[in-house]
Amino acid sequence: DGGITQSPKYLFRKEGQNVTLSCEQNLNHDAMYWYRQDPGQGLRLIYYSQIVNDFQKGDIAEGYSVSREKKESFPLTVTSAQKNPTAFYLCASSIGISGANVLTFGAGSRLTVL
Amino acid sequence: GIQVEQSPPDLILQEGANSTLRCNFSDSVNNLQWFHQNPWGQLINLFYIPSGTKQNGRLSATTVATERYSLLYISSSQTTDSGVYFCAVEQGTYKYIFGTGTRLKVLA
Repeated sequence: DGGITQSPKYLFRKEGQNVTLSCEQNLNHDAMYWYRQDPGQGLRLIYYSQIVNDFQKGDIAEGYSVSREKKESFPLTVTSAQKNPTAFYLCASSIGISGANVLTFGAGSRLTVL
Repeated sequence: GIQVEQSPPDLILQEGANSTLRCNFSDSVNNLQWFHQNPWGQLINLFYIPSGTKQNGRLSATTVATERYSLLYISSSQTTDSGVYFCAVEQGTYKYIFGTGTRLKVLA
Protein backbone atom coordinates (compact mmCIF):
# COMPACT_ATOMS: atom_id res chain seq x y z
CA ASP A 1 0.00 0.00 0.00
CA GLY A 2 1.17 3.51 -0.76
CA GLY A 3 1.76 5.82 2.12
CA ILE A 4 4.10 7.79 4.34
CA THR A 5 6.22 6.11 7.02
CA GLN A 6 7.61 8.10 9.91
CA SER A 7 10.07 6.71 12.43
CA PRO A 8 10.55 6.46 15.26
CA LYS A 9 7.02 6.82 16.63
CA TYR A 10 8.29 7.86 20.06
CA LEU A 11 11.70 9.32 20.87
CA PHE A 12 13.27 10.47 24.12
CA ARG A 13 16.46 12.50 24.13
CA LYS A 14 18.52 14.50 26.54
CA GLU A 15 18.73 18.25 26.22
CA GLY A 16 21.53 19.38 23.90
CA GLN A 17 21.47 16.31 21.64
CA ASN A 18 20.63 16.45 17.96
CA VAL A 19 17.83 14.16 16.82
CA THR A 20 16.92 13.01 13.30
CA LEU A 21 13.36 12.01 12.40
CA SER A 22 12.81 9.86 9.34
CA CYS A 23 10.10 10.35 6.70
CA GLU A 24 9.75 8.03 3.70
CA GLN A 25 6.97 8.03 1.08
CA ASN A 26 6.16 5.62 -1.75
CA LEU A 27 3.42 7.74 -3.31
CA ASN A 28 5.71 9.15 -6.00
CA HIS A 29 4.92 12.64 -4.71
CA ASP A 30 7.22 15.51 -5.62
CA ALA A 31 6.52 17.72 -2.60
CA MET A 32 7.22 16.89 1.05
CA TYR A 33 6.64 18.83 4.26
CA TRP A 34 7.41 18.87 7.97
CA TYR A 35 4.95 20.27 10.50
CA ARG A 36 5.17 20.71 14.25
CA GLN A 37 2.17 20.38 16.58
CA ASP A 38 2.17 21.46 20.23
CA PRO A 39 -0.51 20.21 22.65
CA GLY A 40 -3.92 21.70 21.89
CA GLN A 41 -2.57 23.66 18.95
CA GLY A 42 -2.74 23.58 15.18
CA LEU A 43 0.09 22.60 12.85
CA ARG A 44 2.96 24.93 11.99
CA LEU A 45 5.14 24.51 8.92
CA ILE A 46 8.85 23.90 9.56
CA TYR A 47 10.26 23.13 6.09
CA TYR A 48 8.97 22.03 2.71
CA SER A 49 10.56 20.67 -0.44
CA GLN A 50 9.18 20.88 -3.96
CA ILE A 51 11.80 18.70 -5.67
CA VAL A 52 14.95 16.75 -4.91
CA ASN A 53 17.90 18.82 -3.67
CA ASP A 54 15.70 21.84 -3.00
CA PHE A 55 13.85 22.95 0.13
CA GLN A 56 12.46 26.13 1.69
CA LYS A 57 11.99 27.38 5.21
CA GLY A 58 8.50 27.48 6.64
CA ASP A 59 7.27 29.65 9.49
CA ILE A 60 9.32 28.07 12.30
CA ALA A 61 12.56 26.78 10.70
CA GLU A 62 14.97 28.04 13.37
CA GLY A 63 16.71 25.15 15.15
CA TYR A 64 15.80 22.60 12.47
CA SER A 65 17.54 21.29 9.34
CA VAL A 66 16.44 19.04 6.47
CA SER A 67 17.82 17.34 3.38
CA ARG A 68 16.19 16.01 0.21
CA GLU A 69 18.68 13.74 -1.51
CA LYS A 70 16.04 11.30 -2.76
CA LYS A 71 12.47 11.84 -3.93
CA GLU A 72 11.19 9.33 -1.37
CA SER A 73 12.96 10.70 1.71
CA PHE A 74 12.85 13.95 3.67
CA PRO A 75 14.57 13.58 7.08
CA LEU A 76 14.28 16.30 9.72
CA THR A 77 17.05 17.04 12.23
CA VAL A 78 16.08 18.77 15.45
CA THR A 79 19.25 20.50 16.56
CA SER A 80 20.37 21.60 20.00
CA ALA A 81 19.61 25.17 18.89
CA GLN A 82 15.87 24.44 18.99
CA LYS A 83 14.80 25.91 22.33
CA ASN A 84 11.59 23.90 22.86
CA PRO A 85 11.93 20.69 20.85
CA THR A 86 9.35 18.61 22.74
CA ALA A 87 6.43 18.29 20.31
CA PHE A 88 4.57 16.06 17.86
CA TYR A 89 6.19 16.12 14.40
CA LEU A 90 4.19 15.32 11.27
CA CYS A 91 5.51 14.65 7.79
CA ALA A 92 3.32 15.10 4.72
CA SER A 93 3.60 14.83 0.97
CA SER A 94 1.62 16.02 -2.03
CA ILE A 95 1.67 15.62 -5.78
CA GLY A 96 2.82 19.21 -6.13
CA ILE A 97 0.54 20.22 -8.99
CA SER A 98 -1.29 23.50 -8.53
CA GLY A 99 -5.01 22.84 -8.24
CA ALA A 100 -4.50 19.25 -7.12
CA ASN A 101 -2.06 19.62 -4.25
CA VAL A 102 -3.73 17.33 -1.70
CA LEU A 103 -1.74 16.78 1.51
CA THR A 104 -1.29 13.24 2.83
CA PHE A 105 0.18 12.74 6.32
CA GLY A 106 2.26 10.14 8.08
CA ALA A 107 1.39 8.89 11.57
CA GLY A 108 3.77 11.30 13.31
CA SER A 109 6.77 11.16 15.64
CA ARG A 110 6.46 12.26 19.24
CA LEU A 111 9.69 13.76 20.58
CA THR A 112 10.27 14.33 24.28
CA VAL A 113 13.39 16.10 25.47
CA LEU A 114 14.28 15.34 29.07
CA GLY B 1 0.10 36.56 6.64
CA ILE B 2 -3.20 34.86 6.13
CA GLN B 3 -5.31 34.15 9.21
CA VAL B 4 -7.35 30.95 9.49
CA GLU B 5 -9.96 30.86 12.23
CA GLN B 6 -12.15 27.93 13.16
CA SER B 7 -15.30 27.87 15.25
CA PRO B 8 -16.42 26.68 17.64
CA PRO B 9 -13.15 25.76 19.40
CA ASP B 10 -14.89 23.00 21.36
CA LEU B 11 -18.08 21.06 20.77
CA ILE B 12 -19.82 18.32 22.76
CA LEU B 13 -22.65 16.36 21.13
CA GLN B 14 -24.89 13.47 21.96
CA GLU B 15 -24.63 10.56 19.56
CA GLY B 16 -27.02 11.08 16.66
CA ALA B 17 -26.89 14.87 16.70
CA ASN B 18 -25.87 17.05 13.76
CA SER B 19 -23.23 19.78 13.76
CA THR B 20 -21.65 22.48 11.61
CA LEU B 21 -18.01 23.50 11.86
CA ARG B 22 -16.82 26.73 10.32
CA CYS B 23 -13.49 27.87 8.83
CA ASN B 24 -12.91 31.54 8.00
CA PHE B 25 -9.83 32.75 6.15
CA SER B 26 -8.63 36.31 5.71
CA ASP B 27 -7.31 36.25 2.13
CA SER B 28 -7.88 34.48 -1.17
CA VAL B 29 -6.56 30.92 -1.31
CA ASN B 30 -5.79 28.34 -3.97
CA ASN B 31 -7.01 25.30 -2.12
CA LEU B 32 -8.68 24.19 1.09
CA GLN B 33 -8.68 20.85 2.88
CA TRP B 34 -10.54 19.51 5.90
CA PHE B 35 -8.81 16.97 8.16
CA HIS B 36 -9.82 14.82 11.11
CA GLN B 37 -7.14 14.13 13.71
CA ASN B 38 -7.91 10.97 15.66
CA PRO B 39 -6.90 10.41 19.33
CA TRP B 40 -3.62 8.82 18.19
CA GLY B 41 -2.64 11.93 16.27
CA GLN B 42 -3.17 10.63 12.75
CA LEU B 43 -4.47 13.27 10.32
CA ILE B 44 -7.00 11.92 7.84
CA ASN B 45 -7.98 13.92 4.80
CA LEU B 46 -11.76 14.40 4.69
CA PHE B 47 -12.24 16.79 1.80
CA TYR B 48 -10.20 18.66 -0.76
CA ILE B 49 -12.61 21.50 -1.51
CA PRO B 50 -11.33 24.80 -2.94
CA SER B 51 -14.93 25.68 -3.91
CA GLY B 52 -18.37 24.17 -4.13
CA THR B 53 -19.96 21.33 -2.18
CA LYS B 54 -18.92 17.72 -1.66
CA GLN B 55 -20.46 14.86 0.26
CA ASN B 56 -19.01 11.65 1.64
CA GLY B 57 -21.44 9.56 3.64
CA ARG B 58 -22.50 11.45 6.77
CA LEU B 59 -20.04 14.25 6.09
CA SER B 60 -20.37 17.11 3.66
CA ALA B 61 -18.46 20.32 3.06
CA THR B 62 -19.11 23.62 1.34
CA THR B 63 -16.56 26.29 0.46
CA VAL B 64 -17.59 29.78 -0.64
CA ALA B 65 -14.24 31.14 -1.80
CA THR B 66 -15.55 34.60 -2.68
CA GLU B 67 -16.76 35.06 0.90
CA ARG B 68 -13.70 33.33 2.39
CA TYR B 69 -15.28 30.59 4.44
CA SER B 70 -15.86 26.87 4.46
CA LEU B 71 -18.32 24.71 6.41
CA LEU B 72 -18.07 21.07 7.45
CA TYR B 73 -21.34 19.30 8.25
CA ILE B 74 -21.49 16.17 10.35
CA SER B 75 -24.85 14.40 10.45
CA SER B 76 -25.97 11.62 12.80
CA SER B 77 -22.72 11.89 14.76
CA GLN B 78 -21.05 8.77 16.17
CA THR B 79 -18.53 8.37 18.98
CA THR B 80 -15.89 7.57 16.36
CA ASP B 81 -16.30 11.12 15.02
CA SER B 82 -14.60 12.44 18.16
CA GLY B 83 -11.26 14.16 17.68
CA VAL B 84 -10.02 17.44 16.30
CA TYR B 85 -11.10 18.85 12.95
CA PHE B 86 -8.73 21.15 11.10
CA CYS B 87 -9.12 23.19 7.99
CA ALA B 88 -5.98 24.10 6.04
CA VAL B 89 -5.67 26.62 3.23
CA GLU B 90 -3.02 26.77 0.54
CA GLN B 91 -1.76 30.24 -0.23
CA GLY B 92 0.62 30.33 -3.16
CA THR B 93 1.94 26.86 -3.94
CA TYR B 94 2.99 24.30 -1.34
CA LYS B 95 2.36 26.47 1.69
CA TYR B 96 -0.61 25.13 3.63
CA ILE B 97 -1.64 27.12 6.70
CA PHE B 98 -3.69 25.34 9.36
CA GLY B 99 -6.46 26.69 11.56
CA THR B 100 -6.45 26.12 15.32
CA GLY B 101 -9.04 23.36 15.06
CA THR B 102 -12.41 22.35 16.52
CA ARG B 103 -12.25 19.72 19.25
CA LEU B 104 -15.31 17.48 19.00
CA LYS B 105 -16.47 15.00 21.63
CA VAL B 106 -19.44 12.76 20.85
CA LEU B 107 -21.09 11.15 23.87
CA ALA B 108 -22.76 7.73 23.72
